[in-house]
Amino acid sequence: KAGVTQTPRYLIKTRGQQVTLSCSPISGHRSVSWYQQTPGQGLQFLFEYFSETQRNKGNFPGRFSGRQFSNSRSEMNVSTLELGDSALYLCASSFSGQGDTEAFFGQGTRLTVV
Amino acid sequence: GENVEQHPSTLSVQEGDSAVIKCTYSDSASNYFPWYKQELGKRPQLIIDIRSNVGEKKDQRIAVTLNKTAKHFSLHITETQPEDSAVYFCAANSPGSARQLTFGSGTQLTVLP
Repeated sequence: KAGVTQTPRYLIKTRGQQVTLSCSPISGHRSVSWYQQTPGQGLQFLFEYFSETQRNKGNFPGRFSGRQFSNSRSEMNVSTLELGDSALYLCASSFSGQGDTEAFFGQGTRLTVV
Repeated sequence: GENVEQHPSTLSVQEGDSAVIKCTYSDSASNYFPWYKQELGKRPQLIIDIRSNVGEKKDQRIAVTLNKTAKHFSLHITETQPEDSAVYFCAANSPGSARQLTFGSGTQLTVLP
């Protein structure tokens, strides 16, 4: 069974631009969560999607948004990029949307804003 | 919201010794506590988890204990090996139906040969 796949693996963008990251969950998994990982703030929850609906959102500005498609693939978008958005963006998939089910991470997308 | 604190931030042990990492959480309604291992440049990998209806779980050299009353849980690694060197993160779920984890700040474990 293929794991969680994130594309692209690396991105370099300029301040003010926007970026879209993609996450394909494990086959059969319906919940996709997104996290930002930085050396200073650690792993922080961005948002979670289940059956195409955003169910929860972390404490991030509205420039961070996402969506989920009917095949459970998810995308997140960051508009008007700032230098502080440089981070590793990780998505995690879970079989169900229950709060106590295992979450498996993808390799992440390393975003650098210059 | 949930708050998870993790200690120590760095831990060095001799190969063959045991390592213990401790976490506390704030929300008594949390009921799922996973541990992840992240090697440099790689994805966080789920190594063990525990649910609030049990107090201890073991998988070969790794064990996790949970004290719901005190709201803390710990990871125990016995007979450590150099390949155990990595950053370890504890996490707690947020109560409710949404799938959200709050992570500790991580522990850099170094196993010295």
